[in-house]
Amino acid sequence: NAGVTQTPKFRVLKTGQSMTLLCAQDMNHEYMYWYRQDPGMGLRLIHYSVGEGTTAKGEVPDGYNVSRLKKQNFLLGLESAAPSQTSVYFCASSYSRLAGRAYEQYFGPGTRLTVT
Amino acid sequence: GQQLNQSPQSMFIQEGEDVSMNCTSSSIFNTWLWYKQEPGEGPVLLIALYKAGELTSNGRLTAQFGITRKDSFLNISASIPSDVGIYFCAGPNRDDKIIFGKGTRLHILP
Repeated sequence: NAGVTQTPKFRVLKTGQSMTLLCAQDMNHEYMYWYRQDPGMGLRLIHYSVGEGTTAKGEVPDGYNVSRLKKQNFLLGLESAAPSQTSVYFCASSYSRLAGRAYEQYFGPGTRLTVT
Repeated sequence: GQQLNQSPQSMFIQEGEDVSMNCTSSSIFNTWLWYKQEPGEGPVLLIALYKAGELTSNGRLTAQFGITRKDSFLNISASIPSDVGIYFCAGPNRDDKIIFGKGTRLHILP
């Protein structure tokens, strides 16, 4: 089991460029999440999904879009990157509320994004 | 909004010492989670607590769900070099979204 994987691991973008971050999980989890981590700020939720074909906004959704076309994949898109989006991005997944362990999240290794 | 406050922010200890850290909130939480993050890696779940007063161990780590439901504690016994990292507490807020504290950074002196 690979768990949660993320690609790419590192990326440098110029302001205004776009990119997509890919997250994949092989644990058959229903829920998936995208977080950003900034120094001194902890982890903040960007968007999340409670199942294939569903997405919802988290705490800091502006400037990002997401899609969950397949249960195992969750994509995070930046349409027009800004320096304020320089951060480390983490994907996570968990079982559903019905399974009783929705709060126990498993994280990927992260993508370090720099926007110049 | 709801916040989780972790203390201390940073700790420097000698190898072999015991470690204590805590997480507090002004509001009640029904679940407490403790994660560890090593440099360049994603957070890893250490312990999940679901009942007030619950005490749960994972090897040398022990976590407690405070009786008031507004705090949780994590203890590490006989620290070793691989315990270095940032320890985060987390829990579901009123909107049922997981929020994280800002972490306690643990440094171990040889």
